[in-house]
Amino acid sequence: QVHLQESGPGLVKPSETLSLICTVSGGSISNSYWSWIRQSAGKALEWIGRIYPSGSTYNNPSLNSRVTMSVDTSKNQLSLRLTSVTAADTAVYYCARTILDFGGTSGVSFDYWGQGALVTVSS
Amino acid sequence: QSALTQPASVSGSPGQSITISCTGTSSDVGRYNYVSWYQHHPGKAPKLILYNVNNRPSGISIRFSGSKSGNTASLTISGLQAEDEADYFCGSYTSSSTSFVFGTETKITVL
Repeated sequence: QVHLQESGPGLVKPSETLSLICTVSGGSISNSYWSWIRQSAGKALEWIGRIYPSGSTYNNPSLNSRVTMSVDTSKNQLSLRLTSVTAADTAVYYCARTILDFGGTSGVSFDYWGQGALVTVSS
Repeated sequence: QSALTQPASVSGSPGQSITISCTGTSSDVGRYNYVSWYQHHPGKAPKLILYNVNNRPSGISIRFSGSKSGNTASLTISGLQAEDEADYFCGSYTSSSTSFVFGTETKITVL
C-alpha cells in the first residue's frame, strides 16, 4: 500500500517561499507521475502541477512562474516550492500519485493521496 | 478554468440511494471519460472510489457507481451506510491548460 505524507512549515510570511516535502513509502516514486494539489477554505481543490521522476514537469499556468517541483529518488521524496506567497496561498496542500494512461484502461486519476499539510500565509 | 459544480450537501437515510452530480463543460466532463470521484473524511487522505466515470479501484464497494451524460457526471451510492458520511468531490481531465479540474465538494450526511 502506497503511503504519502506531506511535511513542512505550517506558517509562512507574505512574500516568502513556501516549501513542502512529500515522503512516499510502500512503493518507488521512480515510475509514476506525482502531483501537488491544494485546497483553500471553502473552495474547490486546485491542481498545482505534476512531475515525473525523470524531471519532466507541467504546472498550472495560473501558478506557473512561482512553482518549482523536484524529486529525490534516493529519499523517495517530492518537493514543492512556491515563491512570493500571499494570503491567497493559504491552503491545505496535498501530494498525490497521478495516473496518466490516456487511451488505456487505467485512465486518468489520482489514486493515492497524502492527508495534507495546512500552510497559513500570515505575518 | 472554473471548478466543476457539485451540490453543497446531500442527505439520506441508511439503506437509501443518493446521487451527487458534477457539472462541467464541453472542455472537461463533456469531452473526456476521465472523470474520477473521491471520498474525503476531513483530516484524512482523500480516497479514489471511481475512475474513468464508472470504474472502481480494487477494494471499493460495488455500492459506488458512476455515470455521465453530456457535461454532467454522477456518483450514486446505493444502500447508504453510516460509514459513507464524508465529503465527496469529482475531478476531470480538461483540455484547458490547467490539465485537471475538481468539483466543489459535497457533504454526505447519513440521517
